[in-house]
Amino acid sequence: EGQLVESGGDLVQPGGSLRLSCAASGFSFSSCWMTWVRQAPGKGLEWLATIRGDGREKFYLNSVKGRFTISRDNAKNALYLQMSSLRAEDAAVYYCTGETYFNAFDLWGQGTVVTVSS
Amino acid sequence: QAGLTQPPSVSKGLRQTATLTCTGNSNNVGNEGAAWLQQHQGHPPKLLSYRNDNRPSGISERFSASKSGNTASLTITGLQPEDEADYYCSAWDRSLTAWVFGGGTKLTVL
Repeated sequence: EGQLVESGGDLVQPGGSLRLSCAASGFSFSSCWMTWVRQAPGKGLEWLATIRGDGREKFYLNSVKGRFTISRDNAKNALYLQMSSLRAEDAAVYYCTGETYFNAFDLWGQGTVVTVSS
Repeated sequence: QAGLTQPPSVSKGLRQTATLTCTGNSNNVGNEGAAWLQQHQGHPPKLLSYRNDNRPSGISERFSASKSGNTASLTITGLQPEDEADYYCSAWDRSLTAWVFGGGTKLTVL
């Protein structure tokens, strides 16, 4: 059974940078589209970025384009989200999710918390 | 990037039937189909249905999804206390080349 485990969430100052990681196991990681989704406190789900299995195609939410970069290392079964120029409104739980069987987000991690505050 | 439209809240009685809706357009729900996710407080989302009316193994038959035009629906029969949760729809938007979510519907089981 597939599993996703996020890490890297932390308290960061406005304008700072952070790299989130997501360790994947139990499925054919390199074959799957992977995505980062976030959820601000008390708010709904917000899609951020998606990357193809071979890493050659990426899509971003307009408001994070240029600040966030999604990447993956298939040799390590790992997904990453590099975030820079962080703002207070970027504070959220960040989830890693994958389309492991279906053309939908069928596997989710537990999330990692990012706090942006001085 | 515009999202999908869901009613903020729905309340139904125990053992009743709830139908949640999700409205998009021809660029997303209409031609790409929709998926439904359930999220209990403090937990990650869980996939309930995909491509409009398909249910992953392990999901109760009480949950059924459908689509008509640009609107997707999730019907939950025989409501149980554990069905009280937030429900989100999602779809790929071919025009935006982005995934879009609905704002979520909070289901209360009375």
